[in-house]
Amino acid sequence: NAGVTQTPKFQVLKTGQSMTLQCAQDMNHEYMSWYRQDPGMGLRLIHYSVGAGITDQGEVPNGYNVSRSTTEDFPLRLLSAAPSQTSVYFCASSYRIWGRKGNEQFFGPGTRLTVL
Amino acid sequence: TQLLEQSPQFLSIQEGENLTVYCNSSSVFSSLQWYRQEPGEGPVLLVTVVTGGEVKKLKRLTFQFGDARKDSSLHITAAQPGDTGLYLCAGENTGTASKLTFGTGTRLQVTL
Repeated sequence: NAGVTQTPKFQVLKTGQSMTLQCAQDMNHEYMSWYRQDPGMGLRLIHYSVGAGITDQGEVPNGYNVSRSTTEDFPLRLLSAAPSQTSVYFCASSYRIWGRKGNEQFFGPGTRLTVL
Repeated sequence: TQLLEQSPQFLSIQEGENLTVYCNSSSVFSSLQWYRQEPGEGPVLLVTVVTGGEVKKLKRLTFQFGDARKDSSLHITAAQPGDTGLYLCAGENTGTASKLTFGTGTRLQVTL
């Protein structure tokens, strides 16, 4: 199993450009999430999904869109990139076990995005 | 927004020393996880604690969940260079499975 894969690994954009960060998992996990990581701020949740066709906003959703058409894929779209979106982006997936707390999240290797 | 504050933010120690990292919040969490992240990689789960007062040990690492489920600590005994990394605590919000709130992170460097 490849686990959680993310592409690209690095990306440089100009202000106003759009792009899609790809995320895929082959573990048949129901839950998938997108986080951004900035120095001194840990990871902040952007959007998450509890299953195909279901998405919801996290803590910092502005400027980002997501969709979940399949269990495996959860792309993150930047509609009009801004310098404030310069960050490292992580995709994560987890399984759901009813009645069990603290299910492990599996993270991809990240995408380092710079917006000029 | 629920916040998790970690302290210290940075820690540089020598091999063999002991250290404790703290993760504090004013909110109650249904569970608390600790992750370690190495440069250029995503975080990897170390442990999950779910019961107030719970203590878990992973070799030289000891994790504790506060009685009120608002805070946690990570204690490392006889640190080794392989312990170097970014340590992140993450709280799971009650009723929202797999939606985590991450702490601000503690960057640990262990030198010979």
